[in-house]
Amino acid sequence: EVQLVESGGGLIQPGGSLRLSCAASGFTVSHNYMSWVRQAPGKGLEWVSVFYSAGNTFYADSVKGRFTISRDNSKNTLYLQMNSLRAEDTAVYYCAREVTDSGTHYYFDSWGQGTLVTVSS
Amino acid sequence: DIQMTQSPSSLSASVGDRVTITCRTSQSINTYLNWYQQKPGKAPNLLIYVTSNLQSGVPSRFSGSGSGTDFTLSISSLQPEDSATYFCQQSYSIPWTFGQGTNVEIK
Repeated sequence: EVQLVESGGGLIQPGGSLRLSCAASGFTVSHNYMSWVRQAPGKGLEWVSVFYSAGNTFYADSVKGRFTISRDNSKNTLYLQMNSLRAEDTAVYYCAREVTDSGTHYYFDSWGQGTLVTVSS
Repeated sequence: DIQMTQSPSSLSASVGDRVTITCRTSQSINTYLNWYQQKPGKAPNLLIYVTSNLQSGVPSRFSGSGSGTDFTLSISSLQPEDSATYFCQQSYSIPWTFGQGTNVEIK
């Protein structure tokens, strides 16, 4: 059974740093595209970053230069290092697995339960 | 970035009603469109991928259609457990973007 479990969220002051973890089971993180998606309180979904199986990474403009996605293959875990945090980064952060039906169309088939990050003084 | 516009933003319908949600994109995305259902306090759940493919385990009353810039999610006979927010998402080009969501309420 595919399972994703996020951790590492919490209350942090503006300008601070936090590292989120997403522990996967039932599949191999390094063989899949893995994304972080966030949702501000009462708002919609915003894609944050993706780590491709080949090693490429991409970021939303809103976090570029501040956030870094990484993975530890030995722990089958995805990470999101968040620096220079701002109030507008307050959100539930989900990790999600992307799969494809054909090698071209991708979609999020599995999601973690999310971890809440609150940036406030 | 590809902008996604969902309509309506909310709706209220009775059990057994047919419900349709529309998603419009700012440029053509072929059929690179997915739909998710989210219930309060829960993670999103994949309903339909690549415009019209039903995810395993999703009831057949859900269906999707469209191509280019205009897409629809339909629920043929609304059930109480369908009360949720529905999001469309494009996977045509990074950054992946989502619609703002449609809140479906049961009358």
